[in-house]
Order: sequence, then structure tokens, then C-alpha cells
Amino acid sequence: AQKVTQAQTEISVVEKEDVTLDCVYETRDTTYYLFWYKQPPSGELVFLIRRNSFDEQNEISGRYSWNFQKSTSSFNFTITASQVVDSAVYFCALSDKGGGSTLGRLYFGRGTQLTVWP
Amino acid sequence: DTGVSQNPRHKITKRGQNVTFRCDPISEHNRLYWYRQTLGQGPEFLTYFQNEAQLEKSRLLSDRFSAERPKGSFSTLEIQRTEQGDSAMYLCASAFTSNTEAFFGQGTRLTVV
Repeated sequence: AQKVTQAQTEISVVEKEDVTLDCVYETRDTTYYLFWYKQPPSGELVFLIRRNSFDEQNEISGRYSWNFQKSTSSFNFTITASQVVDSAVYFCALSDKGGGSTLGRLYFGRGTQLTVWP
Repeated sequence: DTGVSQNPRHKITKRGQNVTFRCDPISEHNRLYWYRQTLGQGPEFLTYFQNEAQLEKSRLLSDRFSAERPKGSFSTLEIQRTEQGDSAMYLCASAFTSNTEAFFGQGTRLTVV
């Protein structure tokens, strides 16, 4: 069965600190997708990144970077020089193929509440 | 606004009443998903459609829940005989069939009193 674990329930940092959000997943599929979403207080889930299981290259987008390691089934997310606007709940999610190459259901972790203090 | 739209944003209902939520996906998105999110938890999958066909339903979707997407565009989620345990945020998402990125709406927050 698919499972996503985000062991960190809450993290607090001071502005400009770097912070890493951990994500560990379980799946028996050889083809799968991993995601990170941000949920600000408004409630809408905002897509941040998608990785497929065949692409282990790390990715950097501005202050955000992601470290995907199949050997440890982890997909960690780092925010560099955090800002108050980064305060939100962050979810890691896993998806199977759902038939062919299309998106199946998403399995979410419980989320990590990040608070960045000024 | 061309994002996923959900209505109403908030709904308060008495236990035992029926409620219906609506989701308008991004135009031309073939896939539409419903998720439920309770306080302090991640969203949990309920069901999804490809066009008008309902392809998968979670065990969370009891007999009191029904979802439709009659013309392959908007979708409705109905909960009959609501219970306090149904209080949650109900999220809708849509995606292209050939694209693995799902876009979420702002959700409908249901409170059963």
C-alpha cells in the first residue's frame, strides 16, 4: 500500500534561516510520482513540484530545493533563507499511475506546519 | 478566474440534513478528484472521474456519499443524512489526462451541528 510519512508536525524558524521538511514514502510500484504542496491559511493547496520515480536529479527553484533519494525512499524539501510568507502547512504526496501514464489518486502525508518568525 | 472553483465555500448544516457541493474544474481538464481533509490531517482521497466516468471510489465514500459528473464538466458531491463526523474540508482538484499535475480548489468547509 502507498504511504507517506511526514514525521515533523511543526517547525518554527526565524526569518532567513534554512529549513528542511522531511518526507518518507512507501510504495511497491516501480513507476510513481512524488509531490509537494503548500497550504496557506486560505486553504487552497498550491502545487510546488512533481518528480517521477525515474528522475532522481535534485531540483532547485529559487529558494526552494528538493532532494529525492530512492535508496532511502525520501523526498525532502529545503527552503533557503526562509521568509514570513513561507509560513504554511506543507504536504508531501505520492501518486500511482492510475492506469496508463495518467495521474491516479494522491496519498498525502499529515503535513508539516512551518512557522517563520520575523 | 480560470482555476478550480468550489461552491459554497462554507456550509453549516444540522445533523441529518442533506448537503450538496459543486466543483467546476479547469476548462478541458478530463480528470476531477474529490478529497476530504479533517483538522490536522492531510487530504484523503474520496473519488475521481475521467470525463463523466467515475473510475475509483475510496472506502471512505460510504453509501451516504454520492458524486456525479454528468456531462464531464462540473461535479457535485452529495452527503445524505449528515453526521458530525462528516465535518471537514472537502477539496476538489482537476488535471489533464496526459498531465500529472493536479490543481486544487479552495475547498468547501462543512460543519455539521
